[in-house]
Amino acid sequence: SQQGEEDPQALSIQEGENATMNCSYKTSINNLQWYRQNSGRGLVHLILIRSNEREKHSGRLRVTLDTSKKSSSLLITASRAADTASYFCATHTSGLSSGSARQLTFGSGTQLTVLP
Amino acid sequence: DAGVTQSPTHLIKTRGQQVTLRCSPKSGHDTVSWYQQALGQGPQFIFQYYEEEERQRGNFPDRFSGHQFPNYSSELNVNALLLGDSALYLCASSPTGDYGYTFGSGTRLTVV
Repeated sequence: SQQGEEDPQALSIQEGENATMNCSYKTSINNLQWYRQNSGRGLVHLILIRSNEREKHSGRLRVTLDTSKKSSSLLITASRAADTASYFCATHTSGLSSGSARQLTFGSGTQLTVLP
Repeated sequence: DAGVTQSPTHLIKTRGQQVTLRCSPKSGHDTVSWYQQALGQGPQFIFQYYEEEERQRGNFPDRFSGHQFPNYSSELNVNALLLGDSALYLCASSPTGDYGYTFGSGTRLTVV
């Protein structure tokens, strides 16, 4: 089952504009992560934000987390054509087992298209 | 430093057959997770291996099984293949603790 749901499902913008994607989830989390996937290949980890953090930056990426609303947003500034990809949020939760058992659960993604 | 390596990259099998997919984790990573991704969907968690044991399992039938070896590499086995098993199978590795996962490029399985 999907834990996170991204919004919008698809987003098309011009090069240089900012892109904002949102993610909502249902249960308590340890952290929330964003990944990028190009053309059905492997996922690339972009950024991780812990449950006790509210905002994090990495280069042109800005992530916010609101645990009271169980939501997160990913902002990509000054977008480039190379940013065209699917973007997924994934929630990291502890498993029922003790120790390091944990599970990363993905949403269904936002398809971002950046037009040159 | 090599990332996560998966083999084979593509595979075509007949319904009812069995398949084994392989994964070598990134150096220094001790945890391996497997995901199934249908076209247009997000990855679905199959199971996770740590210290050669299955530590967590998603909502997949017993036809899906796995193994982790002492060198942390892993295999995913699927028995009695169904047409619905056609998907991209992704392996991800991570170190112990709160870190992002490193994904392989996946194995594209087609069941005919």
